[in-house]
Amino acid sequence: AQSVTQLGSHVSVSEGALVLLRCNYSSSVPPYLFWYVQYPNQGLQLLLKYTSAATLVKGINGFEAEFKKSETSFHLTKPSAHMSDAAEYFCAVIERGGSYIPTFGRGTSLIVHP
Amino acid sequence: KAGVTQTPRYLIKTRGQQVTLSCSPISGHRSVSWYQQTPGQGLQFLFEYFSETQRNKGNFPGRFSGRQFSNSRSEMNVSTLELGDSALYLCASRLAGGTNTDTQYFGPGTRLTVL
Repeated sequence: AQSVTQLGSHVSVSEGALVLLRCNYSSSVPPYLFWYVQYPNQGLQLLLKYTSAATLVKGINGFEAEFKKSETSFHLTKPSAHMSDAAEYFCAVIERGGSYIPTFGRGTSLIVHP
Repeated sequence: KAGVTQTPRYLIKTRGQQVTLSCSPISGHRSVSWYQQTPGQGLQFLFEYFSETQRNKGNFPGRFSGRQFSNSRSEMNVSTLELGDSALYLCASRLAGGTNTDTQYFGPGTRLTVL
């Protein structure tokens, strides 16, 4: 079975600093990869997804992620954090050629300090 | 276009009762999936419905069931509620065009508290 690991349940940054949220997957065949954001009392919103086109994927709100097969990683970055980025972030994978059943990581809470 | 809507937003029930949650997908979306989100287990897939048929099912007991209507609206039912069923239940819809690269659109969730 696939698994997704998000290193760090909490990440704290200062406003204007680089945001780096880590995601590693475990499957022999690279899956489809997704990053979602969840604000308090809301559902999940897709930030970006990797579907085997360019390995550097640009998403909404200035976020981007790079797929690295050799490292089985799909880390999420943003050059400059904004207070409004404070939220919970989830990495998810879906197996290629399988059923549409996402496996989610445990989530990383991003805290942005003024 | 209206987003995914879920009703009710908040619900309080007692152990042993049963509950029904409702989800209206984005217009034109044929697939509806349900997820349970808890602090302990994280986000877990419950089931997916497509064209009124259950297409996929997660690892949950039979107390959890669902259905989908001809207009793609979906309901989820939990019978004989347990304290551990307290969670945020999220519904998501997608076009389901035959690819696993579809984007799912999530509703705001129903917060269920079991006392």
